[in-house]
Amino acid sequence: NAGVTQTPKFRILKIGQSMTLQCTQDMNHNYMYWYRQDPGMGLKLIYYSVGAGITDKGEVPNGYNVSRSTTEDFPLRLELAAPSQTSVYFCASRPDRNTDTQYFGPGTRLTVL
Amino acid sequence: QKEVEQNSGPLSVPEGAIASLNCTYSDRVSQSFFWYRQYSGKSPELIMSIYSNGDKEDGRFTAQLNKASQYVSLLIRDSQPSDSATYLCAVNIYGGSQGNLIFGKGTKLSVKP
Repeated sequence: NAGVTQTPKFRILKIGQSMTLQCTQDMNHNYMYWYRQDPGMGLKLIYYSVGAGITDKGEVPNGYNVSRSTTEDFPLRLELAAPSQTSVYFCASRPDRNTDTQYFGPGTRLTVL
Repeated sequence: QKEVEQNSGPLSVPEGAIASLNCTYSDRVSQSFFWYRQYSGKSPELIMSIYSNGDKEDGRFTAQLNKASQYVSLLIRDSQPSDSATYLCAVNIYGGSQGNLIFGKGTKLSVKP
């Protein structure tokens, strides 16, 4: 049971480039989340999903897109990278509506220059 | 704007002392409250959850909730150097099944041997 995995661990992008941050969980969890954490700050919710085929915006969705075609995968897409998107990105999952615990992946550190 | 406020610290306590971490939140309808521990460069890890007014104890950790004052705290007894980390307070602001959390900026705790 690997839990929540994220790739890549680190990435440097140039302004205007695009990339996809991968998130996979093998716990058959319905709920999945994407957060970003800027230095010295708490986590901000970008997007979330309550099941395959269902996604919704969080607090800071601008500049990002998501999809959820399977229960396991929840990729986050950056289309036109900007320096303001330099951050650490965490994916998390949660079993169901009756369980509050969110399980976090190890994070992806992204720098946009 | 729904907010969760924490003192950023750093909070420094000697080994064996009690560390007291505080958090206030703005939304009176919040029902679920969480404390996450985050070591430097790592992902957040849930250590306590609390839903009712009063105290909840788990080993050396005690969470305290006062909904009337919109205040939640975490006490760590017999603090150890391994407790040195950033502690994030999180609140399920929106209630409901999505489980969307609002995080505070975190309090950095340093336990000195």
